[in-house]
Amino acid sequence: QSALTQPASVSGSPGQSITISCSGTPSDVGGYNYVSWYQQHPGKAPKLMIYDVSKRPSGVSNRFSGSKSGNTASLTISGLQAEDEADYYCSSYTSSSTWVFGGGTKLTVL
Amino acid sequence: QVQLVQSGAEVKKPGSSVKVSCKASGGTFSTYTMNWVRQAPGQGLEWMGGIITIFGATDYAQRFQGRVTITADESTSTAYMELGSLRSEDTAVYYCARGVGGDHRPLDYWGQGTLVTVSS
Repeated sequence: QSALTQPASVSGSPGQSITISCSGTPSDVGGYNYVSWYQQHPGKAPKLMIYDVSKRPSGVSNRFSGSKSGNTASLTISGLQAEDEADYYCSSYTSSSTWVFGGGTKLTVL
Repeated sequence: QVQLVQSGAEVKKPGSSVKVSCKASGGTFSTYTMNWVRQAPGQGLEWMGGIITIFGATDYAQRFQGRVTITADESTSTAYMELGSLRSEDTAVYYCARGVGGDHRPLDYWGQGTLVTVSS
């Protein structure tokens, strides 16, 4: 199972919106609505931000939203804040009953 | 308050095995799928495998098949990940992470991570 494809880095200014893409195949992203997004600050464990493509866990800001079209999922962060600067990983359930992660995207808030 | 507390850092020789534990509290262990995810220094997340605790059924990433064993002890609400034939490339932080309600559920709580260093 190959890793999902994410851009290595994205950046934006405070208050702006950014979108991170996550490309997979019909065997993972395209085949299931089980895409999750995780935020990871340096030296910390990942934190679930979005699950089932577009659902937010309790306590996660509504500035975070997710979507999917075909084999590509996306995470959008609106109203960028300094604390959003982190690494972001997408993940998808697969036809092999496994999980696969993307390579990660470093978000820089300028 | 759900918590996953992992065992401490390990230093291992190449060719040996390591067993990391993950003790859960604050939830119903039998409803969990306990997953293991690793992160090599400066690298991304990599799913290794998971166990549906109530059934003891496991799934493993193909690249770890035959080298990793994930088990769970319901009596102590503890999951274990054992990785054998260690090599330097296995140096990483190993995380446990739970899903609730099946192996397709998201990983909503994570352990603090266990650093495993493989060095001669």
